[in-house]
Amino acid sequence: NAGVTQTPKFQVLKTGQSMTLQCAQDMNHEYMSWYRQDPGMGLRLIHYSVGAGITDQGEVPNGYNVSRSTTEDFPLRLLSAAPSQTSVYFCASKGEGRNIQYFGAGTRLSVL
Amino acid sequence: QKEVEQDPGPLSVPEGAIVSLNCTYSNSAFQYFMWYRQYSRKGPELLMYTYSSGNKEDGRFTAQVDKSSKYISLFIRDSQPSDSATYLCAMTNAGGTSYGKLTFGQGTILTVHP
Repeated sequence: NAGVTQTPKFQVLKTGQSMTLQCAQDMNHEYMSWYRQDPGMGLRLIHYSVGAGITDQGEVPNGYNVSRSTTEDFPLRLLSAAPSQTSVYFCASKGEGRNIQYFGAGTRLSVL
Repeated sequence: QKEVEQDPGPLSVPEGAIVSLNCTYSNSAFQYFMWYRQYSRKGPELLMYTYSSGNKEDGRFTAQVDKSSKYISLFIRDSQPSDSATYLCAMTNAGGTSYGKLTFGQGTILTVHP
């Protein structure tokens, strides 16, 4: 049972490049979220999804796109990376009726 | 002003000490309160979960919630070097829980030295 798997673990981008951070969970959870973690800021919600085909914005959605075509996968897209998007990104999932969120190991992204 | 304020520390204590970690919040709609532990280079993992005001104990860990003061605490008794980590408080309202919308504090870095 892998839980929540994020790839890649590390990534360096140049300003203006695009990339997709992958997130997959094998727990059949309906709810998935993306957070970013910056020093002194805690974790901030970027986007979330309550099920396949349904997504919504969180606290800091600008510069990020998401889609949810399957229950298992919730990719996060950076269309034109900016240095302000340098951060550690965490994906999380939660089962119906339970308040426990399971986090992936994170993706460390640097934008130069 | 942030919705959730947490003293970032860092906090350094000797092994066996009692540790107190605290968060204050401003949103009176928050009803579910959590503490996450995050080891270096890892994702957060849920440590304690409480609903509304009151205490909850789990082994060496006790979580307290005082909604009237908008204040939550995590106590660690007989702290161990393995407790060295970043501790994050998180909270949400009833609607937010169903959608995984947690609001986090900044995190407190704890080091327990032998």
